[in-house]
Amino acid sequence: GQQVMQIPQYQHVQEGEDFTTYCNSSTTLSNIQWYKQRPGGHPVFLIQLVKSGEVKKQKRLTFQFGEAKKNSSLHITATQTTDVGTYFCAGLEYGNKLVFGAGTILRVKS
Amino acid sequence: NAGVMQNPRHLVRRRGQEARLRCSPMKGHSHVYWYRQLPEEGLKFMVYLQKENIIDESGMPKERFSAEFPKEGPSILRIQQVVRGDSAAYFCASSPQYNEQFFGPGTRLTVL
Repeated sequence: GQQVMQIPQYQHVQEGEDFTTYCNSSTTLSNIQWYKQRPGGHPVFLIQLVKSGEVKKQKRLTFQFGEAKKNSSLHITATQTTDVGTYFCAGLEYGNKLVFGAGTILRVKS
Repeated sequence: NAGVMQNPRHLVRRRGQEARLRCSPMKGHSHVYWYRQLPEEGLKFMVYLQKENIIDESGMPKERFSAEFPKEGPSILRIQQVVRGDSAAYFCASSPQYNEQFFGPGTRLTVL
């Protein structure tokens, strides 16, 4: 079945440093979605990427979808303490089941 | 438009008891998904339902777990004869179609 691998598992950064998490799928995806979960909270949808090579930005967050539609990345510029949480990618195959990566836990030291 | 509702938010059960978790999707959403999450781990897909139909239950344990989404009322995730290993957060999500999913606040199940 489809697998979605996400690295790194943990990332501790100093406030102001950049952060990147990477996502790789074993199969070609219809789209990829990113979610953020604050400690003790529930996942919240951030963005969806559909097109090959697509790049989208949300303020300090930059999302990329690979040319082969099998990998994606989320980059945060100049992290802030409000960025703390777990970032999940989730891949949708050409079907209807979303497969989540294991997530990257981001900790920001002020 | 209220978000996805889940209740109870916290549930404590003794080994061997039954746990019933409820999920009311957002208005207009016909797709419901259940996920399980262990502390500091990812979301594990359990089951995908539409009204009165189980579409994909490939993530559900074969025994003790069942799910339904009746024509009227919330979706129910039922765990019979709970064991300690069932302790986890159970999240429900809904979507209008095959796009972004809206998650509920989750039910934290503790099995004593």
